[in-house]
Formats: sequence, structure tokens, C-alpha cells
Amino acid sequence: GAGVSQSPSNKVTEKGKDVELRCDPISGHTALYWYRQSLGQGLEFLIYFQGNSAPDKSGLPSDRFSAERTGGSVSTLTIQRTQQEDSAVYLCASSDWGAGTDTQYFGPGTRLTVL
Amino acid sequence: GQSLEQPSEVTAVEGAIVQINCTYQTSGFYGLSWYQQHDGGAPTFLSYNGLDGLEETGRFSSFLSRSDSYGYLLLQELQMKDSASYFCAVRAFTGGFKTIFGAGTRLFVKA
Repeated sequence: GAGVSQSPSNKVTEKGKDVELRCDPISGHTALYWYRQSLGQGLEFLIYFQGNSAPDKSGLPSDRFSAERTGGSVSTLTIQRTQQEDSAVYLCASSDWGAGTDTQYFGPGTRLTVL
Repeated sequence: GQSLEQPSEVTAVEGAIVQINCTYQTSGFYGLSWYQQHDGGAPTFLSYNGLDGLEETGRFSSFLSRSDSYGYLLLQELQMKDSASYFCAVRAFTGGFKTIFGAGTRLFVKA
């Protein structure tokens, strides 16, 4: 595709509900990242997929967060039993890992609001 | 562990030159990248330094000193549209490759 796409662009949910956020990376990119960004803050690493390797889940803040990447392409980030502190913009990025520099191309993000 | 430090805010006037510093502590250092993010937008890649020295891309330059664990982003001929947040990001190999972002520097460009 032309770029990284994410859906939905905005999601408002009630505390305790589950949400799924979707990321479509650039075609052919083997690496996919999920980050979280609170208002005016930096990027908080959540999880990283590289090819067929086991994902690096070291940034997931709790076991309510999980992610999968199907067929080495589309990824879904799932947050179970959402809490108000989960409110943030969730950014997905992909890179052509083989290029060495790991230039990451970011999607527009999903703004999650937990009421 | 790994950490990056960069100033939280920098203010400069239009047409001036500004330097945003980034110091890091990391094992398995591989390279340093810079990203720009406008309010409400997604981060976009600016530059990457894998070796010591200066990389120039138009009005933007980035420098790396591996021995000092230090890098900077230099923006010349500042324009109002350069007002944004700038993130340095370290690429490191610690059993696997990882990219860690700094907290970001908010640049305000004044007329």
C-alpha cells in the first residue's frame, strides 16, 4: 500500500469494554511496531514483530494488552477490560528491517478514549 | 538499561539556527535516528546516523559521536512550519534489534 493505515481513527469506549485496533503496514515491510502516546508525551514502545520471530512484548503495560500479526502483514492490538488510563493515541509503524536503518513509517494513529 | 535525554523545549526565531541535543546510554548501540512530529500528526523520519559525523539533508543536519554517546539535530533557516516535536531514537542490538525513542523536544519557532 501507499502507507501505513490504522483503523479506527477514533474510538470511544466505556471502561471495562474490550477494544481492537487494526494496523495495515506497508506491503513488504517485515517489521511492525505498536506505540502508545499520551497527550504531549513521547512514544511508549508496546510490542514489536519481526518476520516470523517471536514478538518482543517487553513494552506491554499489563496482561490486558495483547497483539497479533496474521500472515506477516495486518496486526491487531487488543486491550481487554479497558481503563481510563488506557486513553491515548495508539500508533503503528512498519519498517523494512533489512534496510539496516530501521526507518519507521508511522500510521495516523487511533485515538482511544475510555470513559 | 537504555535511556535517552533530550531537552523538553527549545524556542528560536524564524531564520535562525537551532540545535537539539540527544545523549544516550545503551548497550549494543547501532545507530541514532531523528523523527519530527507536528501536533496531531504522526512521526516522520528525518535522518539516521550509523557512523560518527554529520549527515546533511537540506536544511536539516544530524551529527553523531559514538565515543561521547551524543548526537544532535541541527535545523537551519528556521521556518514557522518547523514548529513541532523532535524525537531522537536509538537503535540497539540486545539479543535482538530494538528502537527506543526519547521523550521528545518541543520546538517553538517565533516570528
